[in-house]
Amino acid sequence: EPEVTQTPSHQVTQMGQEVILRCVPISNHLYFYWYRQILGQKVEFLVSFYNNEISEKSEIFDDQFSVERPDGSNFTLKIRSTKLEDSAMYFCASSPGQGLAKNIQYFGAGTRLSVL
Amino acid sequence: GQNIDQPTEMTATEGAIVQINCTYQTSGFNGLFWYQQHAGEAPTFLSYNVLDGLEEKGRFSSFLSRSKGYSYLLLKELQMKDSASYLCAVLDSNYQLIWGAGTKLIIKP
Repeated sequence: EPEVTQTPSHQVTQMGQEVILRCVPISNHLYFYWYRQILGQKVEFLVSFYNNEISEKSEIFDDQFSVERPDGSNFTLKIRSTKLEDSAMYFCASSPGQGLAKNIQYFGAGTRLSVL
Repeated sequence: GQNIDQPTEMTATEGAIVQINCTYQTSGFNGLFWYQQHAGEAPTFLSYNVLDGLEEKGRFSSFLSRSKGYSYLLLKELQMKDSASYLCAVLDSNYQLIWGAGTKLIIKP
């Protein structure tokens, strides 16, 4: 069964450093998403991406964040200068964007980001 | 503002039935999702309701009433592996998923 894959599973970084979290969405899906979940808290939407551009973003997704689809398979989230409060689990998701199940989002296993 | 409410925690017995409720107030509605999340893992898709009524899928069923802003997830024949958090999420008018805080379900033998 196709799945969303994320790397690395755990990333440790120093405050102020740049990190890139990587995702490979399900191959025939058209919409891609990033979410974060701070330990013990609810899942929060960051950004959605369609047709090589951002379609929606939340207030959390400020100038420190960017997304990119550098090739036909990868979808990345970059945090330019990490802060302690960026420590969280980051989930990538994708949805088909067409057909009866067009809005169903499937999640990767997540990257745990620890900012020291 | 947008709000999704669900109980924080519920306890049930193995083999029994449990109903987890969710109420929502969102800017627009493009469907309601239920996801299961085990601790430290990704949310796993369980169900999607866009029209009123009951959707049944094996041991799990999900109900939606759009006029009441209400949904429930029904789990039958509970197994120990069903111990997890169950997340209610609504797709709003901007096609953003708005999440509830989740209901932690504890299954006892």
